[in-house]
Amino acid sequence: DAMVIQNPRYQVTQFGKPVTLSCSQTLNHNVMYWYQQKSSQAPKLLFHYYDKDFNNEADTPDNFQSRRPNTSFCFLDIRSPGLGDAAMYLCATSRDTGPADTQYFGPGTRLTVL
Amino acid sequence: KNEVEQSPQNLTAQEGEFITINCSYSVGISALHWLQQHPGGGIVSLFMLSSGKKKHGRLIATINIQEKHSSLHITASHPRDSAVYICAVPSSGGSNYKLTFGKGTLLTVNP
Repeated sequence: DAMVIQNPRYQVTQFGKPVTLSCSQTLNHNVMYWYQQKSSQAPKLLFHYYDKDFNNEADTPDNFQSRRPNTSFCFLDIRSPGLGDAAMYLCATSRDTGPADTQYFGPGTRLTVL
Repeated sequence: KNEVEQSPQNLTAQEGEFITINCSYSVGISALHWLQQHPGGGIVSLFMLSSGKKKHGRLIATINIQEKHSSLHITASHPRDSAVYICAVPSSGGSNYKLTFGKGTLLTVNP
């Protein structure tokens, strides 16, 4: 089945130790998004790629970076995780960026920072 | 910025009951999304609506663009329907991809 896959599902890292989260898709969608979702809060968009074009949200900390080496894969790098970065990280894809373009979400990676 | 209000915030039902979750928004839109999130889990897109009504299995979603209101109905509810249901609307202008999410409705269906 075509889908959005995130690895790992659970990630534990130490304060300040870089960590990379992975997302892949078999939908061949143009757009890939990364969201951060803290407990009982709505997802917060960090950035998205339209094809190879990177679009950062204005309030995304510099600590968060992303790479999209090809259509299928997108990575979220957290350079120096702080305790406040513990959250669920959700990857999503969509065919385009129109209002009616459905975003297909992955299962998420839950990040714990010790 | 679009304000998205959902009601109720929490809903407890007995298995088999008919469920309605409401969503209202402040700024006119061309599409609205209903999402489902199980506790600790990822998000599943249930519906994208631009007008009228859509049905998928026991789920029905309706939208009234003029009244800026949408409803999600679940017929013959089941414990596996227990989840958070989220309404989301796209931003206007050039940032249609950016969704404003409602706070979600936590549904618990008891056997």
